[in-house]
Amino acid sequence: GAVVSQHPSRVICKSGTSVKIECRSLDFQATTMFWYRQFPKQSLMLMATSNEGSKATYEQGVEKDKFLINHASLTLSTLTVTSAHPEDSSFYICSARRQLAVYEQYFGPGTRLTVT
Amino acid sequence: SQELEQSPQSLIVQEGKNLTINCTSSKTLYGLYWYKQKYGEGLIFLMMLQKGGEEKSHEKITAKLDEKKQQSSLHITASQPSHAGIYLCGRGAYNTDKLIFGTGTRLQVFP
Repeated sequence: GAVVSQHPSRVICKSGTSVKIECRSLDFQATTMFWYRQFPKQSLMLMATSNEGSKATYEQGVEKDKFLINHASLTLSTLTVTSAHPEDSSFYICSARRQLAVYEQYFGPGTRLTVT
Repeated sequence: SQELEQSPQSLIVQEGKNLTINCTSSKTLYGLYWYKQKYGEGLIFLMMLQKGGEEKSHEKITAKLDEKKQQSSLHITASQPSHAGIYLCGRGAYNTDKLIFGTGTRLQVFP
């Protein structure tokens, strides 16, 4: 149990276009989902916390208009990178927290975004 | 500076050797997590430590928490190539459900 999927696993897009990444909890309901970004040889940096049915909370320095997060259901959150630029190229990982399970986060396999 | 510093940053060991990775927090620890990440993949939960002095083991991996020192160590006994990857410690942020991750330790195990 507690499987989180991400789609796509890899995406290449042209500069100026938008890309949507999906994060799904497959066998549990996730009231909260988190989006992280990881640069090569670096740790995970939390970008935003997404709560079902409400606006996402962004970490300091993360542009909310550039990284649009939608958490429309208890099993799906999406991250849209708008007007992507080469510096947005990174590994994006989501995690999901079960309802009522404060300390458990389950991570997706990640999405590698390359902007050309 | 990072809230969670891991050492060493990278480690190359021969198969069969023991190794230790340390994680030091600059703030009070409210739970400490250890994850493993294979290159280019998501994170695999290893274990969570909640109390000072707590020690947990999973297969050949043992983690301890020293709450007073705000430090945790991860010890791998008789390392194998399957242990290779990036080890990340993480701590909960007070009064939130956010996880803050350490700087990471890249482990390579050669035959």
